[in-house]
Order: sequence, then structure tokens, then C-alpha cells
Amino acid sequence: DQQVKQNSPSLSVQEGRISILNCDYTNSMFDYFLWYKKYPAEGPTFLISISSIKDKNEDGRFTVFLNKSAKHLSLHIVPSQPGDSAVYFCAARVVGSARQLTFGSGTQLTVLP
Amino acid sequence: DGGITQSPKYLFRKEGQNVTLSCEQNLNHDAMYWYRQDPGQGLRLIYYSQIVNDFQKGDIAEGYSVSREKKESFPLTVTSAQKNPTAFYLCASSTGTGVSGANVLTFGAGSRLTVL
Repeated sequence: DQQVKQNSPSLSVQEGRISILNCDYTNSMFDYFLWYKKYPAEGPTFLISISSIKDKNEDGRFTVFLNKSAKHLSLHIVPSQPGDSAVYFCAARVVGSARQLTFGSGTQLTVLP
Repeated sequence: DGGITQSPKYLFRKEGQNVTLSCEQNLNHDAMYWYRQDPGQGLRLIYYSQIVNDFQKGDIAEGYSVSREKKESFPLTVTSAQKNPTAFYLCASSTGTGVSGANVLTFGAGSRLTVL
């Protein structure tokens, strides 16, 4: 049972435009959500997170939106740059859970110059 | 620089052989984790450890074993019982489970295991 789903395996966007990556979840006990970015043959690196008590968190070009009623979150990248081309993983955790993060299957973002 | 070192980066194994992947961290993190990544799938948790000399199975522990004799080290052994071991393996650490905050994981660069 996949508790965190990223239904779009790939996304292509023109440089300078907005990239929107989506993530859905089923476990209502998730209380923190994170986005990781991964380049080939490297480990994922943390990008941005959001607590369930918020509906938006912004860090520079990256903004994460959370819709708890819809169990949906999205990552917006504005403006998109070629260096943003990577696989983006959505992850979720239950606060205090020793099992840490449950990851989605990832979305390959390609930013075209 | 603080971080996580995984070795080897690439490893080839014959069927029936056990192999051990190394993971060392100098971040003074209490918790360590092993994840496996397969194409088109998310990272799946193999084992995790919150403290020295203690570890728990994750979602796909069958065919794997770990030890946590030192805080900074969490080696993973892929045994011959693992039916499909070819994958990209990622080690991670964090400050702990925590009751507040996102408790971000720091990942190593990964080890790619190929079974011939």
C-alpha cells in the first residue's frame, strides 16, 4: 500500500516558467512533509518541508503548499532553472515516529533551456 | 566537513555471495537508516537504528542484516537470501526521532550493487 504517491513520473518545463510537482498521501497521521531533490548517482538532498499546521512554506524560489483536506501537497519552483533538473521525492512522516520517512516514487523534472 | 561516507560506490557480486556496504557518519547523529532505491520506485526502508547496539527492521528487511556497534557506523550486509539485490543503496542519518520539527535526513552518496 503506497501511502505517498507521486503520480507523474516526469515533467518538462521551459526555463523561466513555473514547475509544479504534486504529491498525494493517504495516511492522516502524517504530520510533516518534506521534499528532497536527487541528482543521478548521488544521495537525495533536503529541499523544503512543511508542517501540517501550515498550508504554505516558502524558501527562495521554492514554495510548498499543503491541502490537508485533500491530502495533497505541491512544490512550486519559480522561476525554473536548468540546474533544477533532477528527481524530486515527496516524503512524509508521523511526528515522533522512529520509522522516519515514507517516500513517494519521485518525479523527474527536466527544465529545458 | 561533516557528512556521510558510503563505500564502495560501485560493487559487483556473484550470486550466492554476501556483501557488506559501509556507512560512516561524522555528524554525531543518533539515528541511522538504510534505504533501497529501484527504478520507478521511491526509497524503501531496509533497517534503521536509533541508538548504538539497537536496530529495527524496516519495510523490506528480508535478506539483509545490519549492526550498530559504534555511533558513527552502520554497515549493511546483503546476504545470499536477498532474491533481487541489484539496486542503489542509500544510507542516511538524523539527529533522532524528535517530537518536533521535520527531523531531516542527511543522505550519503549511495552504493550501487550489481549481481552478476
